[in-house]
Amino acid sequence: DGGITQSPKYLFRKEGQNVTLSCEQNLNHDAMYWYRQDPGQGLRLIYYSQIVNDFQKGDIAEGYSVSREKKESFPLTVTSAQKNPTAFYLCASSMVGVSPPQHFGDGTRLSIL
Amino acid sequence: AQSVTQLGSHVSVSEGALVLLRCNYSSSVPPYLFWYVQYPNQGLQLLLKYTSAATLVKGINGFEAEFKKSETSFHLTKPSAHMSDAAEYFCAVSSNAGGTSYGKLTFGQGTILTVHP
Repeated sequence: DGGITQSPKYLFRKEGQNVTLSCEQNLNHDAMYWYRQDPGQGLRLIYYSQIVNDFQKGDIAEGYSVSREKKESFPLTVTSAQKNPTAFYLCASSMVGVSPPQHFGDGTRLSIL
Repeated sequence: AQSVTQLGSHVSVSEGALVLLRCNYSSSVPPYLFWYVQYPNQGLQLLLKYTSAATLVKGINGFEAEFKKSETSFHLTKPSAHMSDAAEYFCAVSSNAGGTSYGKLTFGQGTILTVHP
């Protein structure tokens, strides 16, 4: 079945360390997104990409980086510059067109040791 | 610019009672509107979407929502709550203009629905 796979489900980071969250989709979607979810704040867009080798900053891109070398993959790196990285991270994808719905992965929960 | 306000961070109903989750939006262009549901430690699942066709939209699991332009609202309802409806619900808006906003969603802060036996 087609879907979005995020790994790992739980991730721990030491102070000053970069970590990379994986997101893979086999839905043949052109667009992919990364959101951060904190309790009571909904989902906030970190980065998005509508085509391979291109991506744009969302509302809270500081301290994060992404790449889009393949259509099916959109990894997110949480850098040491992100001072409050503890959160639930969700990856999503969609077709490009007339505001299609986004399909979500099951998320990665990142915690600081 | 667009925004979403969900009125009530927590809603509690009895099993079998009406569910009403409120969503108001702001958008400078005609909006597309979505409701998603999230169960603990999972991703979001699309319940229904409004894309400028019928103003009353029916979704999965017996939910429906009505787009009211004059009230800038898109409230989610279900006639009879079930225990399995307990989850967090998110309203989201996307603009139907072209360019880089295509598919980019702005989410409300979420409403946690509790269903009592």
